[in-house]
Amino acid sequence: DADVTQTPRNRITKTGKRIMLECSQTKGHDRMYWYRQDPGLGLRLIYYSFDVKDINKGEISDGYSVSRQAQAKFSLSLESAIPNQTALYFCATSDFHTPKILDSSAFGTDTQYFGPGTRLTVL
Amino acid sequence: QKEVEQDPGPLSVPEGAIVSLNCTYSNSAFQYFMWYRQYSRKGPELLMYTYSSGNKEDGRFTAQVDKSSKYISLFIRDSQPSDSATYLCAGKIQGAQKLVFGQGTRLTINP
Repeated sequence: DADVTQTPRNRITKTGKRIMLECSQTKGHDRMYWYRQDPGLGLRLIYYSFDVKDINKGEISDGYSVSRQAQAKFSLSLESAIPNQTALYFCATSDFHTPKILDSSAFGTDTQYFGPGTRLTVL
Repeated sequence: QKEVEQDPGPLSVPEGAIVSLNCTYSNSAFQYFMWYRQYSRKGPELLMYTYSSGNKEDGRFTAQVDKSSKYISLFIRDSQPSDSATYLCAGKIQGAQKLVFGQGTRLTINP
């Protein structure tokens, strides 16, 4: 079974509709992220959450909102979808550990594990 | 100017060739540098990471960071068709909350 799952995998909707994308993880990680990927622009961070009570805006949060319902679930909503929100959306998780030995080469690594993505088209 | 710049390609090489993928970055505070591989219709997966300057080798893959020129590279030796994917570089400040990704380079290895 996949560790990070996203639903739906594909969605076509119309301008003005409310859309929710869901992410679930079985990795037991505290940190969860939402990115969008556009051709020529790479991955851009929308929102991130370090625990259920911690929600933070990323670089492109306008037009989006999130909900962290539980440690394992992180949803992204588009309250009123517009065509330039057509993109590939990825959820990711990570589990940051302070190493037992403060080796600077290990401290700060924060490997992110990505879900399979949701392809959203807004007409 | 984007903090991490990457030539989007596409790059097409014959099987067995040595592949060089490159990124430049502008934020001198970056300490960690990652390479992610993304197959078509899949999410990115971490391939390698390096800390500060230097080289790191893992099998056929070598990651190289030159902080003096703000240049990061990924070399693939004996390239295989299964290496065909989009490769994304990313930088991170130690203790910071987010990765900053390049645009990704689409690579095709031709049998």
